[in-house]
Amino acid sequence: AQSVAQPEDQVNVAEGNPLTVKCTYSVSGNPYLFWYVQYPNRGLQFLLKYITGDNLVKGSYGFEAEFNKSQTSFHLKKPSALVSDSALYFCAVRGYTDKLIFGTGTRLQVFP
Amino acid sequence: GAGVSQSPSNKVTEKGKDVELRCDPISGHTALYWYRQSLGQGLEFLIYFQGNSAPDKSGLPSDRFSAERTGGSVSTLTIQRTQQEDSAVYLCASSYVETQYFGPGTRLLVL
Repeated sequence: AQSVAQPEDQVNVAEGNPLTVKCTYSVSGNPYLFWYVQYPNRGLQFLLKYITGDNLVKGSYGFEAEFNKSQTSFHLKKPSALVSDSALYFCAVRGYTDKLIFGTGTRLQVFP
Repeated sequence: GAGVSQSPSNKVTEKGKDVELRCDPISGHTALYWYRQSLGQGLEFLIYFQGNSAPDKSGLPSDRFSAERTGGSVSTLTIQRTQQEDSAVYLCASSYVETQYFGPGTRLLVL
């Protein structure tokens, strides 16, 4: 069965410091991986995706993610966090019939 | 361009009533998805449309839930005889290739 795990319910980081939000996956075959962000009372906003090619994927708002096949991970990163990055982040893998299977979400809190 | 839109944004209903939730996908997107977000269950898939047909309905939680899509565009999710456990945010997404773009959701509260 395909699944995604986000081991941290919350990540706290000081503004200006680098941030990492962790994601591991389990899938048969080549994974299609996604990160979405959700601000309060809003829908999900697409950040970036890995389909094939370079393991380092760059996305919106300065975010990037590194695909690691041997560790089955797809961690979200940003070199310098902003207070406005505070939100709920979801990792997802594309399942059969293209539906997305989501992790449980990680709340990122950036402190000034 | 216009994104995915959903209506209503909020809906309060009484237990046992029927509700209809609407989704307008991005123009030209052939695939449409419904998901549900609730505190206890996280984000869960409900149903997938390709054009007007639904090849995957595996996420619909009971036969009280149904959905249709007409003209390869607008979709309606109907919940009959609502229960309190149906309270959640219902999200719609559409896609042309790999990336799904989400609407703002409909927040449903069943009293």
